[in-house]
Amino acid sequence: DSGVTQTPKHLITATGQRVTLRCSPRSGDLSVYWYQQSLDQGLQFLIQYYNGEERAKGNILERFSAQQFPDLHSELNLSSLELGDSALYFCASSVETGGRTQYFGPGTRLLVL
Amino acid sequence: DQQVKQNSPSLSVQEGRISILNCDYTNSMFDYFLWYKKYPAEGPTFLISISSIKDKNEDGRFTVFLNKSAKHLSLHIVPSQPGDSAVYFCAASARSNYKLTFGKGTLLTVNP
Repeated sequence: DSGVTQTPKHLITATGQRVTLRCSPRSGDLSVYWYQQSLDQGLQFLIQYYNGEERAKGNILERFSAQQFPDLHSELNLSSLELGDSALYFCASSVETGGRTQYFGPGTRLLVL
Repeated sequence: DQQVKQNSPSLSVQEGRISILNCDYTNSMFDYFLWYKKYPAEGPTFLISISSIKDKNEDGRFTVFLNKSAKHLSLHIVPSQPGDSAVYFCAASARSNYKLTFGKGTLLTVNP
């Protein structure tokens, strides 16, 4: 158990809908990272937050957004969902923005029908 | 543009023998490297890491070797156990941006 929690574990929804994925980092970790794992692309970095502020962006679509709250939990919002958004979404946390080791949660499996 | 490559999709070894998983990278800005183990339907589990100032790091049965001139790293597991069977991901990060760039993974099967 990495100490990173993610909810829900599974999510099934329809095209065009909007979903919110939630992540709670390890106790004491200030940085949260979101990754997407799809069959053809592997694990891809989406976005990083540090202590409530956005720090880095990767290949994140404009339909996707994230935020980190004062209690340090983070949410990833996916809107106007398409079939291709079906993937595993992982959250990771590290001690600080300079913490080089990231610890991953169990992931949320999203299926868009 | 795949900056981290794991060229072997799969590897099969006998229990008790050594498993060697390889990883190549192209970005010279990478200075920190990690190995993760992943079971289906679970998140990646951190195994071991190495900074570019070192060429070897050891933790129990796991040793990571880094050859900076060749931009190559490898993970050695000795002795291999059936419970080591999983997908192993190599990842790298640069000091300018702490995001992890992952390889596609290698499926290790350890046969009893």
